[in-house]
Amino acid sequence: DTGVSQDPRHKITKRGQNVTFRCDPISEHNRLYWYRQTLGQGPEFLTYFQNEAQLEKSRLLSDRFSAERPKGSFSTLEIQRTEQGDSAMYLCASSGRGLGSYNEQFFGPGTRLTVL
Amino acid sequence: DAKTTQPTSMDCAEGRAANLPCNHSTISGNEYVYWYRQIHSQGPQYIIHGLKNNETNEMASLIITEDRKSSTLILPHATLRDTAVYYCIVRVSGSSNTGKLIFGQGTTLQVKP
Repeated sequence: DTGVSQDPRHKITKRGQNVTFRCDPISEHNRLYWYRQTLGQGPEFLTYFQNEAQLEKSRLLSDRFSAERPKGSFSTLEIQRTEQGDSAMYLCASSGRGLGSYNEQFFGPGTRLTVL
Repeated sequence: DAKTTQPTSMDCAEGRAANLPCNHSTISGNEYVYWYRQIHSQGPQYIIHGLKNNETNEMASLIITEDRKSSTLILPHATLRDTAVYYCIVRVSGSSNTGKLIFGQGTTLQVKP
């Protein structure tokens, strides 16, 4: 399968716990994006990587959120001290050379986070 | 990036053409119109994009008005599997910018048998 994959697909946690999500982009894509989507709303941009460099972060990304892409391949998004307001679908997308070029972002299936 | 305005919801009969409008009156000369859709419980999926000429691919057609202030996405023969939220997004294209997508509320298209 050459698509974007995300793990886990679902995560239930208690308020105050830390969680980490993983995204594996399409292999030749150098651009990677994280978005967050709450019920009934469109996805909201969180952060953008070009290779291993994090080049843009949204104001939505509070200091409890951190994202990495250590070798320019997979990426992780960590949320520390989760709050109920963090409950959402977290989507990863990639684009770049090859499939779709820079005009088309390929999205993963998302990780649904529920904070109790 | 310019803002877009779309109707909240639309219905379409199966087998008929679905025409989804989008207003983007503040679009700049170097901004493209992109369409994505999101089927329930899945990530968004790219459909088509264009600058000023009409575009067609295997999924849809994109008609952009001459003044570029509005556009219409056309699904020529809608099927039940086309039921989804359709997002119209305006942004600069290519590799010289971040490429982040700013999603609005989109149009919920319900295709009915």
